[in-house]
Amino acid sequence: KQEVTQIPAALSVPEGENLVLNCSFTDSAIYNLQWFRQDPGKGLTSLLLIQSSQREQTSGRLNASLDKSSGRSTLYIAASQPGDSATYLCAVRGGATNKLIFGTGTLLAVQP
Amino acid sequence: DTGVSQDPRHKITKRGQNVTFRCDPISEHNRLYWYRQTLGQGPEFLTYFQNEAQLEKSRLLSDRFSAERPKGSFSTLEIQRTEQGDSAMYLCASSLGGTLTGANVLTFGAGSRLTVL
Repeated sequence: KQEVTQIPAALSVPEGENLVLNCSFTDSAIYNLQWFRQDPGKGLTSLLLIQSSQREQTSGRLNASLDKSSGRSTLYIAASQPGDSATYLCAVRGGATNKLIFGTGTLLAVQP
Repeated sequence: DTGVSQDPRHKITKRGQNVTFRCDPISEHNRLYWYRQTLGQGPEFLTYFQNEAQLEKSRLLSDRFSAERPKGSFSTLEIQRTEQGDSAMYLCASSLGGTLTGANVLTFGAGSRLTVL
């Protein structure tokens, strides 16, 4: 059974810092991995999708990497801003299913 | 098309009542998903449709839960005889299937928050 873990559960950083969020999964037979952002009381916004054959994806100040063999992904946020404050969730899709298995998220607070 | 719409946004009901949530996906998306999220947790998969066919159901989806997507467009999620443990945010998402760029990227709605008293 696929399990997704995110560390740390919460993170507080001063504005301008670069930071890394971690995601690990137990079954390396994944189809893709997605990173989402969730603001309080809201739905999820997709940030990056990495296919199983890819090593990384970049969008603006965000860079996500994937190491399937070790069951890990990282989300790197450069030059953090207060507007980046949110919960960041990673989710994996297995090869034989269309459902996403989510981690419990990392709550990020960027202090001005 | 403004994205995935969910209605109602909030629902407060008494234990034992039935509730129904509606989801309108992005019009060209053929896949539709329902997830449930409780406080401090990631979303949990409930069920998934491709067009009008319900292809996957979680064991979380007890007999009291039923979902439909009758014409392959909007979907409804009904919970019968609600229990306090059903209190959660119910999230709908849609996506395009296939291998083209942008496929399989889920777009989520804002969710329907259910409180069972």
